[in-house]
Amino acid sequence: DTAVSQTPKYLVTQMGNDKSIKCEQNLGHDTMYWYKQDSKKFLKIMFSYNNKELIINETVPNRFSPKSPDKAHLNLHINSLELGDSAVYFCASSQGSPTNVKTQYFGPGTRLLVL
Amino acid sequence: QKEVEQNSGPLSVPEGAIASLNCTYSDRGSQSFFWYRQYSGKSPELIMFIYSNGDKEDGRFTAQLNKASQYVSLLIRDSQPSDSATYLCAVNPNYGGSQGNLIFGKGTKLSVKP
Repeated sequence: DTAVSQTPKYLVTQMGNDKSIKCEQNLGHDTMYWYKQDSKKFLKIMFSYNNKELIINETVPNRFSPKSPDKAHLNLHINSLELGDSAVYFCASSQGSPTNVKTQYFGPGTRLLVL
Repeated sequence: QKEVEQNSGPLSVPEGAIASLNCTYSDRGSQSFFWYRQYSGKSPELIMFIYSNGDKEDGRFTAQLNKASQYVSLLIRDSQPSDSATYLCAVNPNYGGSQGNLIFGKGTKLSVKP
């Protein structure tokens, strides 16, 4: 049973194209996240959704838009892809607790290459 | 700007030795701290979390937290070649609507030599 899954695993596309990455979690968590890991392996949060509401929106270009059809899914849509968008994108999910410890579980990643 | 600092390494230790990984953070109000392990080409996986000062042990792993010094560490006893990976320190800053917004360090690459 895959807890957090992402599709596709690999994505190669041309500059200027529009693409989407899908994420699903079957853990019953109420918060989902998108991270970008660049070529230097630095992991940085892009968005998070809690109960279908955007609660964090870091300073990412508005070409990136998260879409959550329901609590178990958080998709990432990217318009007008640029070379600098090439990276690994990780989806994650978490469930809150009384002590506010939010353990995040990561999906396998989507490796995006923009040519 | 909230920051989490780690030595990028590589940290090389012989098999069976203790590996010590360190992390400092800038936000004094941070409440919870996480260590993730990431093998090359794989996603991060949680090893431990800690939110109280002192030590927390889980098998061969011990997390140590010193909030006064804004310092968190991970000790790996009896290091094995399979422990060779990048270890990411992550901090949950305790402010506003960003609860759960983990800030990651750049990771320390550990190499355990047989």
